[in-house]
Amino acid sequence: SQQGEEDPQALSIQEGENATMNCSYKTSINNLQWYRQNSGRGLVHLILIRSNEREKHSGRLRVTLDTSKKSSSLLITASRAADTASYFCATDRGGGFKTIFGAGTRLFVKA
Amino acid sequence: DARVTQTPRDKVTEMGQEVTMRCQPILGHNTVFWYRQTMMQGLELLAYFRNRAPLDDSGMPKDRFSAEMPDATLATLKIQPSEPRDSAVYFCASSAEPGNTEAFFGQGTRLTVV
Repeated sequence: SQQGEEDPQALSIQEGENATMNCSYKTSINNLQWYRQNSGRGLVHLILIRSNEREKHSGRLRVTLDTSKKSSSLLITASRAADTASYFCATDRGGGFKTIFGAGTRLFVKA
Repeated sequence: DARVTQTPRDKVTEMGQEVTMRCQPILGHNTVFWYRQTMMQGLELLAYFRNRAPLDDSGMPKDRFSAEMPDATLATLKIQPSEPRDSAVYFCASSAEPGNTEAFFGQGTRLTVV
């Protein structure tokens, strides 16, 4: 079974708006990562947050992690049409070498 | 420009045929993952290797799938015999320090079994 579950499954917003995606996981983790996938292409790493971190920023991305709730959120501010993609969270299942992905959120940004 | 290279990009084959997918991980990365992506199942971890040794292939159907790393620059995923339900995009990814750093993905092999 997959470790992470993203919510919502799909999100449609206007350019300039903020997009928030959530991820919940089941077991303890050391790290949580967010990836992006453009249609038909490989995944690209966006950001990694460690279990002892609560918030991390990278450009227009802001990731939060709440280990007590086993959840994370990815916020994309001032979205652009080019942000249209699927976004996945991935976890390491408590320190193992496995990187397990959730089902993803499909984001569509309308110009 | 370091990248993970997968070949072929697309493969159409008839049911029952053998399929071999190849992956060249980024030089220096010691962990290699194989994932399968379908609309229904999403991204499934099939197998992963660390320092060329298979650590976990529990996600892989053992009767028809096999994964190997003949050397540090080549990982292979083989399906024999192939079935229509194997149709998917297969991704290889490599990582320098799995769990602590990012995984770099190849562009995938789109497999269609007819």
